[in-house]
Amino acid sequence: NAGVTQTPKFQVLKTGQSMTLQCAQDMNHEYMSWYRQDPGMGLRLIHYSVGAGITDQGEVPNGYNVSRSTTEDFPLRLLSAAPSQTSVYFCASSHAPGNEQFFGPGTRLTVL
Amino acid sequence: SQQGEEDPQALSIQEGENATMNCSYKTSINNLQWYRQNSGRGLVHLILIRSNEREKHSGRLRVTLDTSKKSSSLLITASRAADTASYFCATGGGADGLTFGKGTHLIIQP
Repeated sequence: NAGVTQTPKFQVLKTGQSMTLQCAQDMNHEYMSWYRQDPGMGLRLIHYSVGAGITDQGEVPNGYNVSRSTTEDFPLRLLSAAPSQTSVYFCASSHAPGNEQFFGPGTRLTVL
Repeated sequence: SQQGEEDPQALSIQEGENATMNCSYKTSINNLQWYRQNSGRGLVHLILIRSNEREKHSGRLRVTLDTSKKSSSLLITASRAADTASYFCATGGGADGLTFGKGTHLIIQP
């Protein structure tokens, strides 16, 4: 099993550009989520999904969109990148929200 | 908002010593989890302790939970250089997932 995979590993954007961070898991997990990690802030939940076709907002959803068309994939879209979105983004999955979470390796995003 | 808060923020010890870090949280929980993050990597699950458990062991890890004080501790015995990492506690269990603290950065000096 590959576990949770994320692409790209690194990305540099200019303010106003859009992009999609990819996340996939091969463990047949129903629950998937996106976090951002900033220095001194810990991890903050952006969006989550309890199954295909179902998504909801987390603590810091503004500026981000998600969709969940399949169990395996949970892409995160930045609509119009801003410097405040410079961060490391982690995707995670689990069988259920309160269970052990499996994290991807992260995407380091810089917005200039 | 942060639910769990780890203490201390940073800890430096000699290899072979024990490392203890603490986590305090604010609301009632179903379980509490501890994760490790090596520099530049994703988080890795270490241990989950349920609200009706007081202590749990996994290898060199010992976790305690005191629900009356809303606190947990993670003890790493006989530390190794490879234990150098950041350690996070996480609480939650509803559909909106886990809430993480800001972490304890542990450095093991050779």
